[in-house]
Amino acid sequence: GAVVSQHPSWVICKSGTSVKIECRSLDFQATTMFWYRQFPKQSLMLMATSNEGSKATYEQGVEKDKFLINHASLTLSTLTVTSAHPEDSSFYICSARGTSANNEQFFGPGTRLTVL
Amino acid sequence: DAKTTQPPSMDCAEGRAANLPCNHSTISGNEYVYWYRQIHSQGPQYIIHGLKNNETNEMASLIITEDRKSSTLILPHATLRDTAVYYCIVRVYNQGGKLIFGQGTELSVKP
Repeated sequence: GAVVSQHPSWVICKSGTSVKIECRSLDFQATTMFWYRQFPKQSLMLMATSNEGSKATYEQGVEKDKFLINHASLTLSTLTVTSAHPEDSSFYICSARGTSANNEQFFGPGTRLTVL
Repeated sequence: DAKTTQPPSMDCAEGRAANLPCNHSTISGNEYVYWYRQIHSQGPQYIIHGLKNNETNEMASLIITEDRKSSTLILPHATLRDTAVYYCIVRVYNQGGKLIFGQGTELSVKP
């Protein structure tokens, strides 16, 4: 199957700093990428959907100014957590989908963010 | 909100078939049923999907009832590595095909 990578796999930062997480589709062009977050013992929650070259669409309750998403190319999307606080500590997972809305989504391995 | 209902947990003996049920009574005619699984602290892994016919691949079989209101994922010979949370998801086409996860079933395969 298609491969999606994330970098870094884990990060620890101080409260108030910003953290950038990268999501790459390694062997296919991803016209759409999705960002999820997952708290311990909970399911994945969709944060936003991004299409290459356009602004991301955020789910209700997700602060677009806090979670900045950029999808500048067909193989790269970034999520920046701005002014991170301890409550932003979570497992962030991206997924990517190819050129058709019917294509399967392939998920990255996730990034563990810990804010001190 | 997720449109599926799954039991929160199940056990299965190693080497036996694992049958994971899912109810999706409000599924629309053009919505597919997808199954993913998530092993602890990893990203979800695609397993299989179907519309109305039964499907089989190298990982599992998917049985969808004739009225499409429920389905069963079958792992024919469960191994310890199949221990994971299994998510049954109805694909929402008119919202860009995004996947909305419910709570899933935590499958424990025991020796």
